Amino acid sequence: AQRVTQPEKLLSVFKGAPVELKCNYSYSGSPELFWYVQYSRQRLQLLLRHISRESIKGFTADLNKGETSFHLKKPFAQEEDSAMYYCALKDNAGGTSYGKLTFGQGTILTVHP
Amino acid sequence: DTAVSQTPKYLVTQMGNDKSIKCEQNLGHDTMYWYKQDSKKFLKIMFSYNNKELIINETVPNRFSPKSPDKAHLNLHINSLELGDSAVYFCASSQVLAPYNEQFFGPGTRLTVL
Repeated sequence: AQRVTQPEKLLSVFKGAPVELKCNYSYSGSPELFWYVQYSRQRLQLLLRHISRESIKGFTADLNKGETSFHLKKPFAQEEDSAMYYCALKDNAGGTSYGKLTFGQGTILTVHP
Repeated sequence: DTAVSQTPKYLVTQMGNDKSIKCEQNLGHDTMYWYKQDSKKFLKIMFSYNNKELIINETVPNRFSPKSPDKAHLNLHINSLELGDSAVYFCASSQVLAPYNEQFFGPGTRLTVL
């Protein structure tokens, strides 16, 4: 069964410091991974996906198949980055579970001034 | 103009009651989902419908019954509400076979069972 683990429930950094939110996964097929973000009083929204290898709001995430990780990084955190971050794995195996997202437990990031 | 909308936003009710939450999407997507976010913020899929057909049904008590009258709507009906049903329920939609298959989420419905 697929599984996503975010080991840190809470992460606090100061503005301008680097930040890394950890995500590890377990999946038998070829993984497709995402980071979703939920700002205070806003809906959950996609931040980035590993397939497009993009940088959004200064965040990047690299899929490391050897370590089964998809950590989210930003070199200089900003106060507006404070939010709940979810790592998610999409089921690509086909069949009735196709498209299903399995989420990690979430990490609350707080960036202090 | 909202992509995925849910009503109501807040729902407070007594144990044993029956309640419904509605979801609508205007993105033309073919698949809709219900997720439950518990008090620890853990987000777990409950159901998924593709073109009005149930395709994902996780281990959810059968007091929960989703209904999809058309591709743009997926409602969640809950019978005999229990204290443990208190949570935030999120609806989402996506176009399954589109590139990336991004899921768009509604604002959530906070259900409180007293």
